[in-house]
Amino acid sequence: NAGVTQTPKFQVLKTGQSMTLQCAQDMNHNSMYWYRQDPGMGLRLIYYSASEGTTDKGEVPNGYNVSRLNKREFSLRLESAAPSQTSVYFCASTTAGTSFNEQFFGPGTRLTVL
Amino acid sequence: AQSVSQHNHHVILSEAASLELGCNYSYGGTVNLFWYVQYPGQHLQLLLKYFSGDPLVKGIKGFEAEFIKSKFSFNLRKPSVQWSDTAEYFCAVNAYNAGNMLTFGGGTRLMVKP
Repeated sequence: NAGVTQTPKFQVLKTGQSMTLQCAQDMNHNSMYWYRQDPGMGLRLIYYSASEGTTDKGEVPNGYNVSRLNKREFSLRLESAAPSQTSVYFCASTTAGTSFNEQFFGPGTRLTVL
Repeated sequence: AQSVSQHNHHVILSEAASLELGCNYSYGGTVNLFWYVQYPGQHLQLLLKYFSGDPLVKGIKGFEAEFIKSKFSFNLRKPSVQWSDTAEYFCAVNAYNAGNMLTFGGGTRLMVKP
């Protein structure tokens, strides 16, 4: 099992460009998440999908959109990139249930917006 | 909204020194508590977790953490660190009524000198 995979690993954009970050998991998990990691701020939740067909905003959703394409895939789109979106982006997934379940993380995408 | 504080942003230790990293959270209800580790260039991995029961939790690689409810704390400890423990450590909290949502602290960068 590959677990959670993300593409690309690195990306450099110019202000105003758009791009989509891809995430896929092969663990048959229901819930998927997108976080951004910034120095000194830990991980902050951008969007999440509790189950296939649903998406919800997290703590810092502005400037982003998401698509839960199917149970395996959850993409994050930047329509018009800004320097403030320079960050490391992590995707995570977990099994939904009545109690909390461990989140498994992907390797991250390091994005620089010039 | 709940918050998680990690007061030590950077810690430098020599090998064999003892480690204690602080974590405090603000939520007053039932919580699940976690420590994640991120080794250089790698994704986040679960180090240990507390759901209920014995407040002293043992994790991988000789780490342990103690949940002190009265202090809203979940400090991470290791009696003798190794160079390979150089990493960034994140405390995270799941509030009982927050589904599978995690709130992360800002992280502590640990450097262990050989």
